[in-house]
Amino acid sequence: DTAVSQTPKYLVTQMGNDKSIKCEQNLGHDTMYWYKQDSKKFLKIMFSYNNKELIINETVPNRFSPKSPDKAHLNLHINSLELGDSAVYFCASSQGYRGNQPQHFGDGTRLSIL
Amino acid sequence: DAKTTQPPSMDCAEGRAANLPCNHSTISGNEYVYWYRQIHSQGPQYIIHGLKNNETNEMASLIITEDRKSSTLILPHATLRDTAVYYCIVRVDTGTASKLTFGTGTRLQVTL
Repeated sequence: DTAVSQTPKYLVTQMGNDKSIKCEQNLGHDTMYWYKQDSKKFLKIMFSYNNKELIINETVPNRFSPKSPDKAHLNLHINSLELGDSAVYFCASSQGYRGNQPQHFGDGTRLSIL
Repeated sequence: DAKTTQPPSMDCAEGRAANLPCNHSTISGNEYVYWYRQIHSQGPQYIIHGLKNNETNEMASLIITEDRKSSTLILPHATLRDTAVYYCIVRVDTGTASKLTFGTGTRLQVTL
């Protein structure tokens, strides 16, 4: 059983389009995250939700809007896609948000902007 | 969160123990040491974490020095499947939301 699953796995689209990435976890966790890994392989957190409430919001353009319909889902919508948005986006989840709770990651969504 | 320093790359022969070092000399008392790895084209995989005591699980052992300024991840019998980038991360626990801040990691190559 896949613990943290993301769809789609690959996403190729043109500049200026709007797209969404979905994430679901079946671990019963209450906290979910979005990370971005750029072409240099640096992995940085973007957002975190706990019980559907936003708790971490890094310096991310407001074209990126996360939405958490319930504890098991955290979706990422991106408006007006730009070339610099090309990256791998990872979803993660944990039980609680404290520093002693490990996060478990999905296998990523590879976004390519043409 | 405290910064960590890791060697950029290491080699290990299959079947031998892989010992991956990490320096975190500015770590504070409420910061945990975490280890993750990322196998090519996959998401980061949680390995182990600890605060003060040494820890062991089915994947690895974590040895933290008494002054907590450095640690070592030990893969007791490395296999080719352990080839990956290994990240050592310190993460504060203050009761509020805290981040995992990934560095550049150590690229471990396990060879025959």
